[in-house]
Amino acid sequence: EVQLVESGGGLVKPGGSLRLSCAASGFTFSDYIMNWVRQAPGKGLEWVSSISSTSAYIYYADSVKGRFTISRDNAKNSLYLQMNSLRAEDTAFYYCAREVSGLDVWGQGTTVTVSS
Amino acid sequence: DIQMTQSPSSLSASVGDRVIITCRASQGISNYLAWYQQKPGKVPNLLIYATSTLQSGVPSRFSGSGSGTDFTLTISSLQPEDVATYYCQKYNSAPLTFGGGTKVEIK
Repeated sequence: EVQLVESGGGLVKPGGSLRLSCAASGFTFSDYIMNWVRQAPGKGLEWVSSISSTSAYIYYADSVKGRFTISRDNAKNSLYLQMNSLRAEDTAFYYCAREVSGLDVWGQGTTVTVSS
Repeated sequence: DIQMTQSPSSLSASVGDRVIITCRASQGISNYLAWYQQKPGKVPNLLIYATSTLQSGVPSRFSGSGSGTDFTLTISSLQPEDVATYYCQKYNSAPLTFGGGTKVEIK
């Protein structure tokens, strides 16, 4: 079964850091572009970042550029999102998603809450 | 960056009605347009990619059309299980911008 499982969310103070992980299974992880997408409470979907299969190409939304770092370990079938200098507006549900002509596989998500 | 604008932001229709949601890109994106369905409390689900190709398992009452800057998602006969928020997304290049969403309810 194709599956993505996120972890690492939690409550963090403004200015703090958090590292999200996404474990992939059921497919050849190293063949796919991977993405992070977030959704603030009661709001729409916001694309956050993407990374190519070999990590050669990395892109970020302007809202997180310079604060977030996406990475992957193909040997471990894992995707990561290092989030630094967190702000209240980063509070959201964070999903990892596989990209194949759109985002065809999504994880269940992990919650990040930035609050003092 | 290319902006994606969906309309309407919400709609209420009766079971069996035809529902049309539009998505406009601020610049041409060829056919690199996807539609997602997100039911309340659930993970988004890819419905349509490449403007008009149905993802496996998606009911045939869903269809997509358009090209360039103007796109539509049509539900030919609205069913109770279609209550959800629908999002369009461009994926020709980063950023993979989503539209603001259209919330569909049953009248």
